[in-house]
Amino acid sequence: EAQVTQNPRYLITVTGKKLTVTCSQNMNHEYMSWYRQDPGLGLRQIYYSMNVEVTDKGDVPEGYKVSRKEKRNFPLILESPSPNQTSLYFCASSLFSRGTEAFFGQGTRLTVV
Amino acid sequence: AQTVTQSQPEMSVQEAETVTLSCTYDTSESDYYLFWYKQPPSRQMILVIRQEAYKQQNATENRFSVNFQKAAKSFSLKISDSQLGDAAMYFCARGGRQGGSEKLVFGKGTKLTVNP
Repeated sequence: EAQVTQNPRYLITVTGKKLTVTCSQNMNHEYMSWYRQDPGLGLRQIYYSMNVEVTDKGDVPEGYKVSRKEKRNFPLILESPSPNQTSLYFCASSLFSRGTEAFFGQGTRLTVV
Repeated sequence: AQTVTQSQPEMSVQEAETVTLSCTYDTSESDYYLFWYKQPPSRQMILVIRQEAYKQQNATENRFSVNFQKAAKSFSLKISDSQLGDAAMYFCARGGRQGGSEKLVFGKGTKLTVNP
């Protein structure tokens, strides 16, 4: 089954404790992205990657890191999480082609206390 | 910054009736794609419909259709014969410069309630 898999689905952590949210896709997509969703703000892009070893900042990159060492994986790293990073996070992937849809993971609900 | 605006935070519709969700956007591009995504309570993001700016014909997918007004930069979603399963958050999104989904810019969303 074609899918984007994020782990974990839910995470509660403390301020300053490094964490990684994993994302993997099995569709051989070139593009991968991370978004955060906050009430009243919609989804905002954090980082995106157009291929292996090619990443770029989205609209809200502060406090996040990413890496793309393999085509299928695109982990999101929070090296020192803060409460304002409490949010719902989505990973997405898509083909390098005009008009193609983005396929989203199930989301990760992160709470930083 | 290029933005997408959904002016209706919440909408409601009676089952079997028709509802229209509004979306306007800002862009300096001449060719781009626009999307409507649905997010039910399960949180899954589901593509509802897409529109290429170069195509004058409005996109249609079963009960879902769009009214695309390029000059006005307007992209509204019409849901006909509304069903209880249509209840969800709906997000309008604009595609990236290369015409794909590498960098989607989303509106803030419209919460649709369907009343039986």
